[in-house]
Amino acid sequence: KAGVTQTPRYLIKTRGQQVTLSCSPISGHRSVSWYQQTPGQGLQFLFEYFSETQRNKGNFPGRFSGRQFSNSRSEMNVSTLELGDSALYLCASSPGTGIFSPLHFGNGTRLTVT
Amino acid sequence: KQEVTQIPAALSVPEGENLVLNCSFTDSAIYNLQWFRQDPGKGLTSLLLIQSSQREQTSGRLNASLDKSSGRSTLYIAASQPGDSATYLCAVEGQNFVFGPGTRLSVLP
Repeated sequence: KAGVTQTPRYLIKTRGQQVTLSCSPISGHRSVSWYQQTPGQGLQFLFEYFSETQRNKGNFPGRFSGRQFSNSRSEMNVSTLELGDSALYLCASSPGTGIFSPLHFGNGTRLTVT
Repeated sequence: KQEVTQIPAALSVPEGENLVLNCSFTDSAIYNLQWFRQDPGKGLTSLLLIQSSQREQTSGRLNASLDKSSGRSTLYIAASQPGDSATYLCAVEGQNFVFGPGTRLSVLP
């Protein structure tokens, strides 16, 4: 069974630009969540989608948005990039509600903002 | 607001030692707790998931315990190996997942 796939693996953008990251969950998984990981703040929850609906949202500004498609693939968008957005962005999928369901992570997208 | 801490922040041990990693959380209203390992530049790999009604879970050389009332979990690694070197994170699931900062483990040959 293929794991969680994130593309691209690396991305370099300039301050003020926007970026879209993609995540393909494990087949059959309906929940996709996104996380930002930085050395200073650790791993922080961005948002979670289940069956195309955003179910939970972390404490991030509105520049961070996402969506989920009918095939459960998800995209995350960051507009008006800031230097502080440089981070490893991780996507995780799980089968359903998340309760009693382990998270399966992709290898992440390393975003560098210059 | 849920807060998760992990002690120690870093640990270096010789191969073969048994070791314990600690995780504490402030809000006991959780559905489950998971332990993950993360290798440099990679995503997280789920090691063990303990449901809130359970006390412990075991997988191979790993054993995780949960004391929800005191807000604590421990990950016990038996007979450590150099391949165990990684960062270990715990995460509690309530309304969403909250992760600890991790313990960076180095097992020396």
